[in-house]
Amino acid sequence: DSGVTQTPKHLITATGQRVTLRCSPRSGDLSVYWYQQSLDQGLQFLIQYYNGEERAKGNILERFSAQQFPDLHSELNLSSLELGDSALYFCASSAGQGRTEAFFGQGTRLTVV
Amino acid sequence: DAKTTQPPSMDCAEGRAANLPCNHSTISGNEYVYWYRQIHSQGPQYIIHGLKNNETNEMASLIITEDRKSSTLILPHATLRDTAVYYCIVAGGGADGLTFGKGTHLIIQP
Repeated sequence: DSGVTQTPKHLITATGQRVTLRCSPRSGDLSVYWYQQSLDQGLQFLIQYYNGEERAKGNILERFSAQQFPDLHSELNLSSLELGDSALYFCASSAGQGRTEAFFGQGTRLTVV
Repeated sequence: DAKTTQPPSMDCAEGRAANLPCNHSTISGNEYVYWYRQIHSQGPQYIIHGLKNNETNEMASLIITEDRKSSTLILPHATLRDTAVYYCIVAGGGADGLTFGKGTHLIIQP
């Protein structure tokens, strides 16, 4: 158990809909990262938050957004969903901003039908 | 972040040492070498990281060459549960998201 909790574990929704994925980082970790893993793209970094502030952006679509709340949990919002958004979404946390090891949750499997 | 090259797949017999190579010839001075693994569709698991010196923890050893252009992850006594995709990642300053390549699919044979 990495200490990172993601909910829900599975999500099935229709095209055009909006969903919210939730992540609770390990106790004491200030950084939260979101990754997307699809069959054809592999693991792709989406976005990072550090202590409530956006810290780095990767290949995140404009239809996607995230935020980190004062209690350090984070949410990833995916809107106007397309079939191609079906993927595993992982959250990871680390203690700080720098190159410390990151601990991943078990992911949310999103299926868009 | 520097790019890494790993073999797509490797086999190893159970109980033997698994040695996973990684080339990172464009690594710069402030970049670390990280290893993660992913078992089936679970979340990636941190294994070990290093800058210049060899490192060892309860899971594995990391051997980095003197010129830092390549490294080897060693699982000393591989078990069937070590079957996974192993990712070698080089990362340093700047944006903090990790760049995962395709990794090496390590299959431990009974």
